[in-house]
Amino acid sequence: AQKITQTQPGMFVQEKEAVTLDCTYDTSDQSYGLFWYKQPSSGEMIFLIYQGSYDEQNATEGRYSLNFQKARKSANLVISASQLGDSAMYFCAMREDWGNKLTFGGGTRVLVKP
Amino acid sequence: DAGVTQSPTHLIKTRGQHVTLRCSPISGHKSVSWYQQVLGQGPQFIFQYYEKEERGRGNFPDRFSARQFPNYSSELNVNALLLGDSALYLCASSPSTENYGYTFGSGTRLTVV
Repeated sequence: AQKITQTQPGMFVQEKEAVTLDCTYDTSDQSYGLFWYKQPSSGEMIFLIYQGSYDEQNATEGRYSLNFQKARKSANLVISASQLGDSAMYFCAMREDWGNKLTFGGGTRVLVKP
Repeated sequence: DAGVTQSPTHLIKTRGQHVTLRCSPISGHKSVSWYQQVLGQGPQFIFQYYEKEERGRGNFPDRFSARQFPNYSSELNVNALLLGDSALYLCASSPSTENYGYTFGSGTRLTVV
């Protein structure tokens, strides 16, 4: 079974609107971390936001917020006030307690329309 | 401060050849990880090195090897290249093996023909 599932292969969003990117995960560990990365066409993976499994508050970083629902094993990314520069691939990733690697989902391509 | 630097940025190799990819981590970062990203997929973990020792290995054949040098830079070597090795190879550095601050480089795009 996939550990990280991103069900939306691609999305269009109107400039200045909010968009939610879905991510569900599977782990039996109690301690884990969830990440979102942005990958523009240049290829670099840009860190956006992190949520630890024991964090009680949802993480926020500027226009990015993470909707963490532990019981449902979901960690959706919300981008508010979308900008043209937000057009990119977005990846959800998990680091489990027993290892130091990141396991990535398949990604969601976001295209922001003017 | 310089970020994670990878070289070369692009590379074309022939099947059966050998390739060496290089990564310089952020100053002060002692851990380097390598990921392979095939077109249209998410990155897949290959190796993690910390203090010159291998700390983790993904599900890749023995044709893939890596090492870390005293200055914490790293090389990824791939022998007997196959067409399926064509991918973007990403390097990530972090201060330690437990810190969640992974910073990625822009990658090396390898094409095997």
